[in-house]
Amino acid sequence: EAGVAQSPRYKIIEKRQSVAFWCNPISGHATLYWYQQILGQGPKLLIQFQNNGVVDDSQLPKDRFSAERLKGVDSTLKIQPAKLEDSAVYLCASRPPGHRLFGELFFGEGSRLTVL
Amino acid sequence: DAKTTQPTSMDCAEGRAANLPCNHSTISGNEYVYWYRQIHSQGPQYIIHGLKNNETNEMASLIITEDRKSSTLILPHATLRDTAVYYCIVRDISNFGNEKLTFGTGTRLTIIP
Repeated sequence: EAGVAQSPRYKIIEKRQSVAFWCNPISGHATLYWYQQILGQGPKLLIQFQNNGVVDDSQLPKDRFSAERLKGVDSTLKIQPAKLEDSAVYLCASRPPGHRLFGELFFGEGSRLTVL
Repeated sequence: DAKTTQPTSMDCAEGRAANLPCNHSTISGNEYVYWYRQIHSQGPQYIIHGLKNNETNEMASLIITEDRKSSTLILPHATLRDTAVYYCIVRDISNFGNEKLTFGTGTRLTIIP
């Protein structure tokens, strides 16, 4: 079974530039998450999708971050304009349907962003 | 979700059992204990979860105290590949809108050859 795919793995940009990350969850997984992990910290949830609808985006800095999952499959996370403090690994995770209570989350390898 | 407290780091000799403690003294009746680990440059990986009974799978065992205020993850025969950050997470499954995992800073486990 293919895992959660993310790209790019690494991205270096200058502050005020924009960047986009792509995630393709495991086939059939209805729930998709984007997490931000700053060096030395645990992952922090940015946004949660159920199919193509947003369930929780309370911690998404909406003035600069946006995310979409238009067809309920793959998803894109965008940052515009980037700040130095956005340097982090952006992790995508998905969970299979029917496992809302107990199911494990499957994480991708992440996209490492460096903002100079 | 209840807050968890874990040691910042631990060492364990290769081949020995690694015992990782977690304190969750404010845990409520609807909250499960989950463990994930994150190997360097990878995403977190699910290990095990439990409510009040001890649990075991092919990766680890989870021991939850009778009062549920603390738990221990046990890796029975640690190998170098078990070097990772281990996260203990408490999640309220009765909150139907709360399907997220809230990570702390975890315990950095280093397996010593």
